[in-house]
Amino acid sequence: GDSVTQTEGLVTLTEGLPVMLNCTYQSTYSPFLFWYVQHLNEAPKLLLKSFTDNKRPEHQGFHATLHKSSSSFHLQKSSAQLSDSALYYCASNNAGAKLTFGGGTRLTVRP
Amino acid sequence: EAAVTQSPRNKVAVTGGKVTLSCNQTNNHNNMYWYRQDTGHGLRLIHYSYGAGSTEKGDIPDGYKASRPSQENFSLILELATPSQTSVYFCASGENNANTEVFFGKGTRLTVV
Repeated sequence: GDSVTQTEGLVTLTEGLPVMLNCTYQSTYSPFLFWYVQHLNEAPKLLLKSFTDNKRPEHQGFHATLHKSSSSFHLQKSSAQLSDSALYYCASNNAGAKLTFGGGTRLTVRP
Repeated sequence: EAAVTQSPRNKVAVTGGKVTLSCNQTNNHNNMYWYRQDTGHGLRLIHYSYGAGSTEKGDIPDGYKASRPSQENFSLILELATPSQTSVYFCASGENNANTEVFFGKGTRLTVV
């Protein structure tokens, strides 16, 4: 079945530095990829999703590029903010119903 | 905005007891999901549903049953609760389209003692 791998469980960095959270996937087909964000004591919610064409999705300064050749959908931001501290999940869906999540990356941004 | 409501929000159950977690959505979404969230494992899919009357096994269905009696309601049932099922459970709903977002409830914290 499909799987999503997030290699970093914890990422800690200083405010103003760039952010990159890794996500790779395995799928028989060409799935749609998503990033969800979960702030403390809240429900996960959509941050951004891949497009069918070559557009690069962006939201709140975050962006991600789907690379089918390497099966990756890394999340990036040029300058981290304190409010970016949260749990980030990469997810894939290729069949309309079964949405599979990775293990999550907890991002902590320090002053 | 999509509304997904879970009840109860917190539950303490005894080992061997039966637990039912309920979920209601008011957005007429076809698909509904139950996930559990554990540190180091992320969100793992337990059961999901394409619509009323359907239930499908997710990646970790053992020890859990699901019921979808209507478009709006999707329940997760633990017939014989065990301490290993202590976790935070999230219900979610979405349209039957691979490229649309799902909307999560606020979660249920279940402790099995």
